[in-house]
Amino acid sequence: QVQLQQWGAGLLKPSETLSLTCAVYGGSFSDHYWTWIRQPPGKGLEWIGEINHIGSTTYNPSLKSRVSISVDTSKNQFSLKLRSMTAADTAVYFCARREYNFWSGYYAIYFEYWGQGILVTVSS
Amino acid sequence: SSELTQDPAVSVALGQTVRITCQGDSLRSYYASWYQQKPGQAPVLVIYGKNNRPSGIPDRFSGSTSGNTASLTITGAQAEDEADYYCNSRDSSTNHVLFGGGTKLTVL
Repeated sequence: QVQLQQWGAGLLKPSETLSLTCAVYGGSFSDHYWTWIRQPPGKGLEWIGEINHIGSTTYNPSLKSRVSISVDTSKNQFSLKLRSMTAADTAVYFCARREYNFWSGYYAIYFEYWGQGILVTVSS
Repeated sequence: SSELTQDPAVSVALGQTVRITCQGDSLRSYYASWYQQKPGQAPVLVIYGKNNRPSGIPDRFSGSTSGNTASLTITGAQAEDEADYYCNSRDSSTNHVLFGGGTKLTVL
């Protein structure tokens, strides 16, 4: 059974850097992309970015200048750093495992396994 | 356009059938995946690929796609299906992951 467990500071001041880590238990760490997704209070899901086991990353262009995702394969963990936090970054942050397949001429990506989510509040 | 568009809210009478739609150019290359989210919880995958359900998802949930529109159908909606539903795919030119804005389903 695959489990993702995440942790990190839940209260930050404006201009500080968010740091979250997600540990993966079960399954293959090297066969998937590992993703961060966030959800502001009362709003929808927003993809932040992803990384694979060799450190190849893709980021949401709206956050690219402030975000960094890294991986530690020795611990089956991946981490998120988001710099210069503001109140607009207040959200529940989730980690998730991204699947990728190709069927009948179509590609598919989906997220079956998610972390529990952490509410990160930015306030002075 | 690299967006996925969903109706903000849909309602259905208990036991009836409801369809939630998701539109976007990315759906011409990617199947949509669908997530159910209840308050205070992480999203739960309910449909992926052409029409696949993860283990534990009731068979009243089904998915389909036509052109640039994907649909999630709940046949015989139950009270416990009341939730927010999100679609998801990827922009094939940029590889950026996309989420729809979400549809709030009310079961009357």
